[in-house]
Amino acid sequence: SQTIHQWPATLVQPVGSPLSLECTVEGTSNPNLYWYRQAAGRGLQLLFYSVGIGQISSEVPQNLSASRPQDRQFILSSKKLLLSDSGFYLCAWTFRDRALGYTFGSGTRLTVV
Amino acid sequence: RKEVEQDPGPFNVPEGATVAFNCTYSNSASQSFFWYRQDCRKEPKLLMSVYSSGNEDGRFTAQLNRASQYISLLIRDSKLSDSATYLCVVGGSWGKLQFGAGTQVVVTP
Repeated sequence: SQTIHQWPATLVQPVGSPLSLECTVEGTSNPNLYWYRQAAGRGLQLLFYSVGIGQISSEVPQNLSASRPQDRQFILSSKKLLLSDSGFYLCAWTFRDRALGYTFGSGTRLTVV
Repeated sequence: RKEVEQDPGPFNVPEGATVAFNCTYSNSASQSFFWYRQDCRKEPKLLMSVYSSGNEDGRFTAQLNRASQYISLLIRDSKLSDSATYLCVVGGSWGKLQFGAGTQVVVTP
């Protein structure tokens, strides 16, 4: 069976510090991968998605970036965090060729102080 | 206009009662539809897919109306554990899903 791992679960970072969140998927190959952010009391905002190694599409211009160095690894980064980057970050995956719903990781709750 | 719109609620439902709510979507070319459940401070989890003919999963029934571009979810015999936020989700291009902001349901004893 497939599993998705996301870490860390909670993170408190000062403004201007770097960020690296990692997500890995097990039990499948060639998944579509996604990074979402959910601000407090708000809906999910798609940040990045990837359909293959090295292929990243950005949905929202901001100071975040994403990379996919391996087939089942997806990384979200920032060189300098802003207060507005606080939120609940969720990684998700789905099968490439099927119209199935996403499976989400357990999320990282980021607070920028 | 948002791509997926939902009534945020909350819908306060007595235990054992039935509750139903809709969401509307703007992209008439959408082909996949889902309901997710999100508990407070947790990740969303797939509740059920929504098929054109409508489908049922235990106490949950989902309907799709393509002509009017809305999806509905009905919960029968509500349990306290059904208290959550229900996210309406519509499939777009490149396997991307568009999420509504959610409808909060509170089941009371």
